[in-house]
Amino acid sequence: EDQVTQSPEALRLQEGESSSLNCSYTVSGLRGLFWYRQDPGKGPEFLFTLYSAGEEKEKERLKATLTKKESFLHITAPKPEDSATYLCAPYTDKLIFGTGTRLQVFP
Amino acid sequence: EAGVAQSPRYKIIEKRQSVAFWCNPISGHATLYWYQQILGQGPKLLIQFQNNGVVDDSQLPKDRFSAERLKGVDSTLKIQPAKLEDSAVYLCASSPSAVGTQYFGPGTRLTVL
Repeated sequence: EDQVTQSPEALRLQEGESSSLNCSYTVSGLRGLFWYRQDPGKGPEFLFTLYSAGEEKEKERLKATLTKKESFLHITAPKPEDSATYLCAPYTDKLIFGTGTRLQVFP
Repeated sequence: EAGVAQSPRYKIIEKRQSVAFWCNPISGHATLYWYQQILGQGPKLLIQFQNNGVVDDSQLPKDRFSAERLKGVDSTLKIQPAKLEDSAVYLCASSPSAVGTQYFGPGTRLTVL
């Protein structure tokens, strides 16, 4: 059975305090991995797609990386506006979402 | 470019009532998805359409849920009769193709009392 685990479940950071979010997965037929950001009361917002182990993608303060079993979302010098739930979703023939990491960044 | 539109944004019903949600995808997107997101969980795929045909409805509770996309554009998801455990956010997403990036609407928050 396909499984996706995100850790930690919740993370509180001081503004400027860098950290990483983890997404570990066991799926059959991985074709890619997506990262989304979700703000309260809104739908998920697309961030990145990674297709192969070793691939990295960056956007502002975020960098996503992929290995054969895990993906990491690195947040460098976060700001309060980065506060959101971050969802990872391996893609097989459909997206399989994890439960997310709820990030809070305090000034 | 306009995003995925959904309505209503909120709905409160009593158990055993019926409810319908509407979705208008991004213009030109052939693939449309309905997801259910229970509080504290990630979205779970209910059904995927390619144009007006069903690609995957393996996780749709077909005894009470139905969905259609008659003209290959708008879609409607219906629940009849609703149960307490159907309380969730129902998200619609669209993508240019079956393997393209999915773009989500704002969702409909359903509360079943």
